[in-house]
Amino acid sequence: TQLLEQSPQFLSIQEGENLTVYCNSSSVFSSLQWYRQEPGEGPVLLVTVVTGGEVKKLKRLTFQFGDARKDSSLHITAAQPGDTGLYLCAGDSGTSYGKLTFGQGTILTVHP
Amino acid sequence: DADVTQTPRNRITKTGKRIMLECSQTKGHDRMYWYRQDPGLGLRLIYYSFDVKDINKGEISDGYSVSRQAQAKFSLSLESAIPNQTALYFCATSDGSRVVQFFGPGTRLTVL
Repeated sequence: TQLLEQSPQFLSIQEGENLTVYCNSSSVFSSLQWYRQEPGEGPVLLVTVVTGGEVKKLKRLTFQFGDARKDSSLHITAAQPGDTGLYLCAGDSGTSYGKLTFGQGTILTVHP
Repeated sequence: DADVTQTPRNRITKTGKRIMLECSQTKGHDRMYWYRQDPGLGLRLIYYSFDVKDINKGEISDGYSVSRQAQAKFSLSLESAIPNQTALYFCATSDGSRVVQFFGPGTRLTVL
């Protein structure tokens, strides 16, 4: 069974601060996705990383896939209250079933 | 209109009752999934279906059953609800060519 360990579980910061969320596994994934979930809604895809070492940027969010494709990170620069939410990483093992393994999630609160 | 809809959005029931949660999608996707979300545990897969004739158990299928009535409809049933099935339930879809999943808004189920 593949597992994804996400840390930290909770993050409470002030507006303008930087933060990093980590997603680690002992298993190799063919791709890794990051989702954001707001209260009362389902998760929404932010990005998919596929290649080891890949870095993708989405405005103030930077996503990195580890060289060995076992880990990933999400870095937010100058966090804003609108970034508040639950962030989930999800790994695809590369089988034909399309099943995803989700991390436990990081609840981010950005205070004005 | 939302691409993936779930009904009901909230449900309170009593131990031993039979409950059905419904999911409909207009995305034309073949693959549909049911997840359960508990605080600190991320999303755990209950059942998934690749077409009307294909139903597969996920990692936590005990106590649940599903029905794929049509390509666009996938229902989750709790035959005899118990309190530890209190959780958020999400339906998701994907098109098979990509592993990205599109989630419904969720159903909050409380079993007393």
